[in-house]
Amino acid sequence: QKEVEQNSGPLSVPEGAIASLNCTYSDRGSQSFFWYRQYSGKSPELIMFIYSNGDKEDGRFTAQLNKASQYVSLLIRDSQPSDSATYLCAVRGPGGNTPLVFGKGTRLSVIA
Amino acid sequence: DARVTQTPRHKVTEMGQEVTMRCQPILGHNTVFWYRQTMMQGLELLAYFRNRAPLDDSGMPKDRFSAEMPDATLATLKIQPSEPRDSAVYFCASGSSGNTIYFGEGSWLTVV
Repeated sequence: QKEVEQNSGPLSVPEGAIASLNCTYSDRGSQSFFWYRQYSGKSPELIMFIYSNGDKEDGRFTAQLNKASQYVSLLIRDSQPSDSATYLCAVRGPGGNTPLVFGKGTRLSVIA
Repeated sequence: DARVTQTPRHKVTEMGQEVTMRCQPILGHNTVFWYRQTMMQGLELLAYFRNRAPLDDSGMPKDRFSAEMPDATLATLKIQPSEPRDSAVYFCASGSSGNTIYFGEGSWLTVV
């Protein structure tokens, strides 16, 4: 049974600070890792994905992957109130276009 | 602007009634996923199709749920008979040979 674990939060950070969101997964065969953002009442939208160990940066977002520790994180620099949402970590096994297994999400609140 | 389209967006129905949800995947995407989201369980995979063939429906209660893909532009999820515990948001998502999947806006179902 593949599991993806996230702290449910809420995680509160002041505007302009770095928000750090974490995720662990159980299946060592997992190959690709995704972060989605979901605003209340809306659908999940992809922020970024990462396949290789290390860091991947996209604008204010940095995804970090450590396969040995089965750990994925998302850093949001210069956090804005508009970043307040639930962040979902998702994991996929080998092969393209197989289903994603989602964590239950971490709720982030950025305080102005 | 390519997007996954779902209908209905909102549905309130009485227990015992049939509910049909429809999804139009992004043109050219060959894989369609049905997820259900609740506060308690988060996002759970119900079923998915590739090239219209069902690959996995182990997440669905078989006695009341059915999923089909009558053509490449339409996927359906039916619940018959519906029960109050089926109240949730049902998301359709689609993807292609690439790694990313995109979500529709969801069908918000309430069974009273």
